[in-house]
Amino acid sequence: NAGVTQTPKFRILKIGQSMTLQCTQDMNHNYMYWYRQDPGMGLKLIYYSVGAGITDKGEVPNGYNVSRSTTEDFPLRLELAAPSQTSVYFCASSLLAWPGEQYFGPGTRLTVT
Amino acid sequence: EDKVVQSPLSLVVHEGDTVTLNCSYEVTNFRSLLWYKQEKKAPTFLFMLTSSGIEKKSGRLSSILDKKELSSILNITATQTGDSAIYLCAVEVGAQKLVFGQGTRLTINP
Repeated sequence: NAGVTQTPKFRILKIGQSMTLQCTQDMNHNYMYWYRQDPGMGLKLIYYSVGAGITDKGEVPNGYNVSRSTTEDFPLRLELAAPSQTSVYFCASSLLAWPGEQYFGPGTRLTVT
Repeated sequence: EDKVVQSPLSLVVHEGDTVTLNCSYEVTNFRSLLWYKQEKKAPTFLFMLTSSGIEKKSGRLSSILDKKELSSILNITATQTGDSAIYLCAVEVGAQKLVFGQGTRLTINP
């Protein structure tokens, strides 16, 4: 049982490049989330999904896209990378709608230069 | 705008000391308050609080929610170097949304 896994662990992008951050969970959780954490700050919700085929915007969705074709996978796409997207990205999943706790992946550190 | 504020932002103590971390919130739809510990990587869940005045305990860690004061505290007694981490407070505001505070960086010196 690996929990929540994310790839890659680190990535450096040039301005304007695109990439996809991968997230997979093997706990059969319906709910999945993407957060970003800027230095010295808490986490901010980018997008979330309540089940396969259903996604919704969080607090800071601009510049990102997501899809949820299976229960296990929730990739995050950056189309035109900007320096403001330099951050650590965490994927999380949870079993319950409410109340519940979210289980986090190890994070992807992204630098855009 | 929903807001969660933690204090202090940084705290350095000696091993064996007791610490109290604070979290206050202003949100439109409170559902629960959660505490996480973040060491080098991903946050790990500590507690979830939904009812005021009920203390949650796990070993040397405990937390209590005060819905009248819109706040929560996290206590750690007999601190150890392994308690060094960033402690995050988050408020669940509904529709699968957590609003996080900026975290308290706790350093325990031997």
